[in-house]
Amino acid sequence: DIVMTQSPDSLAVSLGERATINCKSSQSVLYTSNNKNYLVWYQQKPGQPPKLLIYWASTRESGVPDRFSGSGSGTDFTLTISSLQPEDVAVYYCQQYYSTPFTFGQGTKLQIK
Amino acid sequence: QLQLQESGPGVVKPSETLSLTCTVSGGSISSSSYYWGWIRQPPGKGLEWIGSISYGGSTYYNPSLKSRVTISVDTSKNQLSLKMSSVTAAETAVYYCVKGGNSVFNWFDPWGQGTLVIVSS
Repeated sequence: DIVMTQSPDSLAVSLGERATINCKSSQSVLYTSNNKNYLVWYQQKPGQPPKLLIYWASTRESGVPDRFSGSGSGTDFTLTISSLQPEDVAVYYCQQYYSTPFTFGQGTKLQIK
Repeated sequence: QLQLQESGPGVVKPSETLSLTCTVSGGSISSSSYYWGWIRQPPGKGLEWIGSISYGGSTYYNPSLKSRVTISVDTSKNQLSLKMSSVTAAETAVYYCVKGGNSVFNWFDPWGQGTLVIVSS
């Protein structure tokens, strides 16, 4: 199984400041034949299901604010929120869909400082 | 807009079989070539993929659960189902129904609201 490890486990950032969440996979999730990273980011608010933010590691889902961006390749990935807004308080998960069983990071809880 | 709604018993006894149904609305399971699946989340914890199924019935299961899990599709009812046998208290969780993509190697979107299943005698 591919192990997904996120850091930090929790993060407090001031409104308007940048938030950075890291995700590391135990093996590469880059499929060389199409040069795509099989990595997705979700946002989960209390009492709600996870919401798709970014897929293929860096493609923003339609309707997701452009302050959210994803980067990285191979085994190291980053979710960046450029200017934190109150509605961004949530738990963020990365997930690999490169191979079964699909696996998730443990989550990063983002709060306002 | 595609919507998924899970339903089933909120309480299951240990060692018994958990059975859940997901009703898909706003689209047909059989008219598309998507994969559908189940994911669970114990209270206050992370996410675990249980398995996925194609509209044609091809299945992929998490090896850690494979011997106890069956996922099926009822195209006549536009429903997805999950059966998990011999459950334990550790499997108390919110169970989500999800839609995948044209390949099993795809992200999940959308998710149902989830249904909490408590395993307790």
